[in-house]
Amino acid sequence: DVKVTQSSRYLVKRTGEKVFLECVQDMDHENMFWYRQDPGLGLRLIYFSYDVKMKEKGDIPEGYSVSREKKERFSLILESASTNQTSMYLCASSLLDRANTQYFGPGTRLTVL
Amino acid sequence: GENVEQHPSTLSVQEGDSAVIKCTYSDSASNYFPWYKQELGKGPQLIIDIRSNVGEKKDQRIAVTLNKTAKHFSLHITETQPEDSAVYFCAASRSQGGSEKLVFGKGMKLTVNP
Repeated sequence: DVKVTQSSRYLVKRTGEKVFLECVQDMDHENMFWYRQDPGLGLRLIYFSYDVKMKEKGDIPEGYSVSREKKERFSLILESASTNQTSMYLCASSLLDRANTQYFGPGTRLTVL
Repeated sequence: GENVEQHPSTLSVQEGDSAVIKCTYSDSASNYFPWYKQELGKGPQLIIDIRSNVGEKKDQRIAVTLNKTAKHFSLHITETQPEDSAVYFCAASRSQGGSEKLVFGKGMKLTVNP
């Protein structure tokens, strides 16, 4: 079974803090994704990566950056957290030739005070 | 770009009844349609998918149908059980692979009452 793990289930940070969300997958998937999930808005793509050191902007990249130094690990960075970034963050991974058959982690619920 | 609409937003059924979740899409070039189930406290999990060259696909108690002309697709769950209670997301993309993004609907919360 594909396993996607996220470093924290719950996180509370203060406005202005730098926040790192970590995601690790164990199935040698080329693609990795970061989404945020908000009530009534569904899943929105923040960034994705199809290879080490490669990244592409999704639909809502503003206020976020990403890092992929190793194939199995994809990090989401909030340079200066704001209250409107309070959300559920979901990481996903997939094979290169099946990019849209995605496997999700359990999510990190981030609260920015 | 693609827009996926999902309705209803909530649905409550009695155990043993059937449930149908409907989605519409706007991009006629979309040809891959996965469905995800998200249980409380967990990430979404792929439960079934369909490509546009297939009109219907079944897997035990769940089935998905696709009407390309009308640009809508539906998830059917028969003999619902309490463990079917979850949020269900439909999604659409121009391809299963490659660089085409997956666009999700807003989700539907299904409650199955014992």
